[in-house]
Amino acid sequence: KNEVEQSPQNLTAQEGEFITINCSYSVGISALHWLQQHPGGGIVSLFMLSSGKKKHGRLIATINIQEKHSSLHITASHPRDSAVYICAVYFGNEKLTFGTGTRLTIIP
Amino acid sequence: NAGVTQTPKFQVLKTGQSMTLQCAQDMNHNSMYWYRQDPGMGLRLIYYSASEGTTDKGEVPNGYNVSRLNKREFSLRLESAAPSQTSVYFCASSRDGYEQYFGPGTRLTVT
Repeated sequence: KNEVEQSPQNLTAQEGEFITINCSYSVGISALHWLQQHPGGGIVSLFMLSSGKKKHGRLIATINIQEKHSSLHITASHPRDSAVYICAVYFGNEKLTFGTGTRLTIIP
Repeated sequence: NAGVTQTPKFQVLKTGQSMTLQCAQDMNHNSMYWYRQDPGMGLRLIYYSASEGTTDKGEVPNGYNVSRLNKREFSLRLESAAPSQTSVYFCASSRDGYEQYFGPGTRLTVT
């Protein structure tokens, strides 16, 4: 079965800390999506990647195809980064399979 | 551009009632999707449409029907609502079948 696992499920950190959220998947994929869901509920696409690394502001996403693993990093974390971060993958078709999300809380 | 819009934002139904959730996108995307999000579970695909005039079942289609009215609009219908359909529903669209853009969600409660 095609599965996506995220860790940790919950993460609380102090403002300014370096944050890492992990995503692993069971079989080869064609692409991986990192999404952000704020307490209001809206879902925003952060990154789409199929290899290597992407950076946008304080956010960095990496993927290791051989190890079937991706990480999302946040540098200099801020309370406004508090959200649920969701990893989703394409197992070779148009349908996304989603992880259950990592709830991040940044304390001032 | 409004992106992906959904109506209504909130809805309360009684068991057995029917309703249609509306979704529209103004990005000229080919693919559109309906998901449900339940506590402790990842988003699950209900139905999707790869192009105007086509629809396919996703992971959890039972109890739902969809219509791809035109390229912009993709509606989700609950013919006879059940408490198990209490959830948050998200519509999404994609130009190329990969990066997806999500609507704001509809919070549905069935009593």
